[in-house]
Amino acid sequence: ILNVEQSPQSLHVQEGDSTNFTCSFPSSNFYALHWYRWETAKSPEALFVMTLNGDEKKKGRISATLNTKEGYSYLYIKGSQPEDSATYLCAFGQAGTALIFGKGTTLSVSS
Amino acid sequence: GAGVSQTPSNKVTEKGKYVELRCDPISGHTALYWYRQSLGQGPEFLIYFQGTGAADDSGLPNDRFFAVRPEGSVSTLKIQRTERGDSAVYLCASSLTGHPGTEAFFGQGTRLTVV
Repeated sequence: ILNVEQSPQSLHVQEGDSTNFTCSFPSSNFYALHWYRWETAKSPEALFVMTLNGDEKKKGRISATLNTKEGYSYLYIKGSQPEDSATYLCAFGQAGTALIFGKGTTLSVSS
Repeated sequence: GAGVSQTPSNKVTEKGKYVELRCDPISGHTALYWYRQSLGQGPEFLIYFQGTGAADDSGLPNDRFFAVRPEGSVSTLKIQRTERGDSAVYLCASSLTGHPGTEAFFGQGTRLTVV
């Protein structure tokens, strides 16, 4: 059974704090690692899709890194804002199979 | 439509009843996925279609669950003899090719409550 682990499960920060979360996944048969943001009452939306070891991607204040050899990815948020409050999901992809999701990290940002 | 559409958005049904949940994927997307999210959990894979055929149905929890995609676009998830444990948010997603490096686009989900 493929296991994708995310930590922490939940996190509460103050506006302006920087934060990061971890996604751990199997290091064998890797094809892609996805990060999604899921805001309450909305659909999950893709942030990043990464396929290469050492990949770093950035979108505004959010960035992600990928280490496929050791099986982890970090998501960083710089200068958190209340609108960053959401559940952040990572998903592991192998060839020929559907994405396998972790349980998510729920971020709450207070102003 | 522009995105993935799921209907109904909410469904309350009595234990033992039959329900159908519908997903309209983005036009032209060949891959379609059903996931289920229970409280405190991440999306749990149910079934994956490539075109009209189920490429992987290993996530369906038992034979009360069945899904079809007869024309390779709209999909229906069918649940027979519903149980209270089936209560969850059922998410549908589609992607252009089904390749794992391709972004998946999600609908807003159907919240199923079995009473």
